Amino acid sequence: EPEVTQTPSHQVTQMGQEVILRCVPISNHLYFYWYRQILGQKVEFLVSFYNNEISEKSEIFDDQFSVERPDGSNFTLKIRSTKLEDSAMYFCASSAYGEGARNEQYFGPGTRLTVT
Amino acid sequence: AQTVTQSQPEMSVQEAETVTLSCTYDTSESDYYLFWYKQPPSRQMILVIRQEAYKQQNATENRFSVNFQKAAKSFSLKISDSQLGDAAMYFCAFQGADGLTFGKGTHLIIQP
Repeated sequence: EPEVTQTPSHQVTQMGQEVILRCVPISNHLYFYWYRQILGQKVEFLVSFYNNEISEKSEIFDDQFSVERPDGSNFTLKIRSTKLEDSAMYFCASSAYGEGARNEQYFGPGTRLTVT
Repeated sequence: AQTVTQSQPEMSVQEAETVTLSCTYDTSESDYYLFWYKQPPSRQMILVIRQEAYKQQNATENRFSVNFQKAAKSFSLKISDSQLGDAAMYFCAFQGADGLTFGKGTHLIIQP
């Protein structure tokens, strides 16, 4: 069964450094998402992406963040100048359809980001 | 914006017993999906069960079933014959026109 994959599984970085989290969505999916889960808290929406542009973003997704689909398979989340509070689990998801009610999002295993 | 409320931060059940996790949501939409996700200590998000709002029949997946009360905006998860491997965080999620919104989760403990 096709699945969403994410690399690395765990990333440790120093405060102020840039990190790139990578995701490979399911191959025939057209909509891509990033979510964040700070330890002990709920999963929060960051951004959705379709047709090579951001379709929706939350207030968490400020100028520190950017997303890109550099080729036909990868979907990346870049965090510039990381802060301690960026430490979290980051989940990528993809879906075949749009953001309407009949969409189903498939989640990757997550990348644990630790900022020291 | 939609809100999803899970009022039980933690639940405990004896192995082989049945437990029900509650979830309520608030929306003005009539067409939407509801999900329960399981998050074990590995922190991977695993889809347990889904319910289409237009379907009156409650979804069932093996030992997992839901009680969907659309008018009351309630979506509880029942786990029958609880097993040690069911121990995890369980998140209720609402999928509507604005995307996916999660509740804060319920930590399920299985007592051997």
